[in-house]
Amino acid sequence: QKEVEQDPGPLSVPEGAIVSLNCTYSNSAFQYFMWYRQYSRKGPELLMYTYSSGNKEDGRFTAQVDKSSKYISLFIRDSQPSDSATYLCAMRRFQGAQKLVFGQGTRLTINP
Amino acid sequence: GAVVSQHPSRVICKSGTSVKIECRSLDFQATTMFWYRQFPKQSLMLMATSNEGSKATYEQGVEKDKFLINHASLTLSTLTVTSAHPEDSSFYICSAPTSSGVTYEQYFGPGTRLTVT
Repeated sequence: QKEVEQDPGPLSVPEGAIVSLNCTYSNSAFQYFMWYRQYSRKGPELLMYTYSSGNKEDGRFTAQVDKSSKYISLFIRDSQPSDSATYLCAMRRFQGAQKLVFGQGTRLTINP
Repeated sequence: GAVVSQHPSRVICKSGTSVKIECRSLDFQATTMFWYRQFPKQSLMLMATSNEGSKATYEQGVEKDKFLINHASLTLSTLTVTSAHPEDSSFYICSAPTSSGVTYEQYFGPGTRLTVT
């Protein structure tokens, strides 16, 4: 079993829809949770960074962490064609542990 | 966010030759950098952790003699693919963590696409 599970998709939704992306994990030691966006042939771009449980909002993006369920989510409101990319969840254990564990990535397409 | 650069962005080399890829943190110092490999439509695979002033730490299954890593300064790490073969063709990405208060945020370079003919 992988430490981090993420549905690879592909996921295709119409422009303006609310997108929900999710990851589950098995290691309860994970405390820091990140979402990256990766366009084709580019390096990943950090979107959201969350510590422990709770919600964090940044513009059209909301990250949620539920440590009791070992489940994290990224919501994209008013989705745009420019949001079409692969979204990777990543997590790490504690402040001093810098190595990230990644999900497989979900390929998202927003259709105009 | 912080900026990490990579050079070159794309390289084509012949089988048997060596290729060096540079990773630089442009606006912060990084005592640690990470090197990843990514195959098409797959996630990132961590190859090694580059440590400034000491030897790199390689992940299981990664040949340290083939993928030479040198962390020459607080802003530069290099990955050299030695005696490259077509199966080494891949997208190589580096990353560096930066601390801000109690958080560590990790930023990625734009990647280097290596093609071995």
